[in-house]
Amino acid sequence: AQSVSQHNHHVILSEAASLELGCNYSYGGTVNLFWYVQYPGQHLQLLLKYFSGDPLVKGIKGFEAEFIKSKFSFNLRKPSVQWSDTAEYFCAANDYKLSFGAGTTVTVRA
Amino acid sequence: NAGVTQTPKFQVLKTGQSMTLQCAQDMNHEYMSWYRQDPGMGLRLIHYSVGAGITDQGEVPNGYNVSRSTTEDFPLRLLSAAPSQTSVYFCASSPGGDRGNTIYFGEGSWLTVV
Repeated sequence: AQSVSQHNHHVILSEAASLELGCNYSYGGTVNLFWYVQYPGQHLQLLLKYFSGDPLVKGIKGFEAEFIKSKFSFNLRKPSVQWSDTAEYFCAANDYKLSFGAGTTVTVRA
Repeated sequence: NAGVTQTPKFQVLKTGQSMTLQCAQDMNHEYMSWYRQDPGMGLRLIHYSVGAGITDQGEVPNGYNVSRSTTEDFPLRLLSAAPSQTSVYFCASSPGGDRGNTIYFGEGSWLTVV
């Protein structure tokens, strides 16, 4: 079964700082990868997804993620965060059932 | 464009009570699932269904029952609520169980068991 691990539990940044959230998955075969965001009090929303092709995936709100197969990683990045990026971020992998990481809480200080 | 609809949004139960969380989707999706979200643990799969009449257990099925009599509906039943079941519950659906299909989530149901 797939397992997903996220490196950071809580990240605190200032506005305009760059963000990188780590994600590793355990499955060695073909896998589909996702990043979801959950704003306070809201449900999960899809930020971006990787199925195949270009390993650099661009998502909504200026986020991007890079799939590195040799490292089993799918790290999320944003060059310059805003206060509105304060949220919880979940990495997920789908080999039949969708498995989630534990989540990273991102707090952006104005 | 209702998508995935969950009810109720908030519920308080006493230990030992039973209840059903409702989930409905209007996208004709085959695959539906229930997750619970707890601090520091991400989302854990409770039960899932790959089509009407077919259900299976996920990672944390104990204390929960599901059924899938129609494509649209996938209710989650708590048989005898326990404080450990205090959580936020999310229903999700996707077009199929195949890899690569985006999963759509409901808005969540906040359950407190006292």
